[in-house]
Amino acid sequence: EIVLTQSPGTLSLSPGERATLSCRASQTVTSSYLAWYQQKPGQAPRLLIYGISNRATGIPDRFSGSGSGTDFTLTINRLEPEDFAVYYCQQYADSWTFGQGTKVEIK
Amino acid sequence: QLQLQESGPGLVKPSETLSLTCTVSGGSMSSGTYHWGWIRQSPGKGPEWIGTISNSGSTYYNPSLQSRVTVSIDPSKNQFSLRLSSVTAADTAVYFCARPTGPHPALFGNWGQGTLVTVSS
Repeated sequence: EIVLTQSPGTLSLSPGERATLSCRASQTVTSSYLAWYQQKPGQAPRLLIYGISNRATGIPDRFSGSGSGTDFTLTINRLEPEDFAVYYCQQYADSWTFGQGTKVEIK
Repeated sequence: QLQLQESGPGLVKPSETLSLTCTVSGGSMSSGTYHWGWIRQSPGKGPEWIGTISNSGSTYYNPSLQSRVTVSIDPSKNQFSLRLSSVTAADTAVYFCARPTGPHPALFGNWGQGTLVTVSS
């Protein structure tokens, strides 16, 4: 099983700033099978990014993904108030597993 | 966009079987090539994929849960279901049903609201 470790656990930022979230896999994620989700309290996760860097339908271009192998990054440019949430990475190369999440909170 | 809604008991006793149903509305489950999945999330933790079924009945399960999980589908009722046997307190979680919307069955873009299941005597 591929274990995903996200860092930091919590990111405290102000609206308008840039958020950089990390996801590290315990082994290589093949075929670019890495996705990112956003989750707000009391809601289901929302698919943001798949295939490392492809935005899902309706996702604003301030969200971008990058990385390869075992190290991946989600970047949120110019944080909007609605972006403060918990973010999860997911690998779907070997079974399907999620990270433990990074909370982006208002500073 | 299809709507998904989970239903089932909110409280299950240890060692018993958890059973949930997901009802799909706003369209037919049989239209197109679809997969249907179950994901759970324990309080304060990341999501955990449980299992997925296709319209043709092919199933894919999380290896860590495979011995206890059964996912089935009834397109005539626009429903699919989850059974998880021999539950313990560790199975307490919010259970979501979901449909993949991306180019891979693991990419869940259409979710139900989730239902909390507590395992307790």
